[in-house]
Amino acid sequence: DAGITQSPRHKVTETGTPVTLRCHQTENHRYMYWYRQDPGHGLRLIHYSYGVKDTDKGEVSDGYSVSRSKTEDFLLTLESATSSQTSVYFCAISGAGENSPLHFGNGTRLTVT
Amino acid sequence: QKEVEQDPGPLSVPEGAIVSLNCTYSNSAFQYFMWYRQYSRKGPELLMYTYSSGNKEDGRFTAQVDKSSKYISLFIRDSQPSDSATYLCAMKAGNNRLAFGKGNQVVVIP
Repeated sequence: DAGITQSPRHKVTETGTPVTLRCHQTENHRYMYWYRQDPGHGLRLIHYSYGVKDTDKGEVSDGYSVSRSKTEDFLLTLESATSSQTSVYFCAISGAGENSPLHFGNGTRLTVT
Repeated sequence: QKEVEQDPGPLSVPEGAIVSLNCTYSNSAFQYFMWYRQYSRKGPELLMYTYSSGNKEDGRFTAQVDKSSKYISLFIRDSQPSDSATYLCAMKAGNNRLAFGKGNQVVVIP
């Protein structure tokens, strides 16, 4: 799993509650990413980080925020969860070179009721 | 037109058959091409990674890139039940973000 740990692995929460997902890497890679995967949509980028405190939006960033205070940790927060955010969330990492591929964690399955 | 098109399948083949998967793309700037394998309830796992046009072989797997036709393929020879998974193509141009296909589910029947 390329030294990537996602927590929790499963979570059920209620609409309107805040939720934070954590990604921890042991590879010291510069880039970290949050994706969501949904049937019919494939993998979609939510946010990414290119260094400590450096983050940027992906294609589906509305309703999500991120923080990266240490190289190894990248947090994804749903400020007020909605049912449309029920999904499987994947963290990925890559090195700094443009030819560096992404390596993924095993995902967090989030259900918003 | 989506940047990357991949037929979602599913594709069912008997054990020992050759599996052929492909993706087409529209962005001629794509330089790096990847195939990921994803088992149920797991994250995508990098399977093959190619840079230029041509073929790359790794065991039973062959990745093929045809930049002139904007077409990439993955072949799995002597398929095994353990190859049953979803296969995603991905590609990027320079330091730009990865563009993914939606994935193709493969079932190898013993």
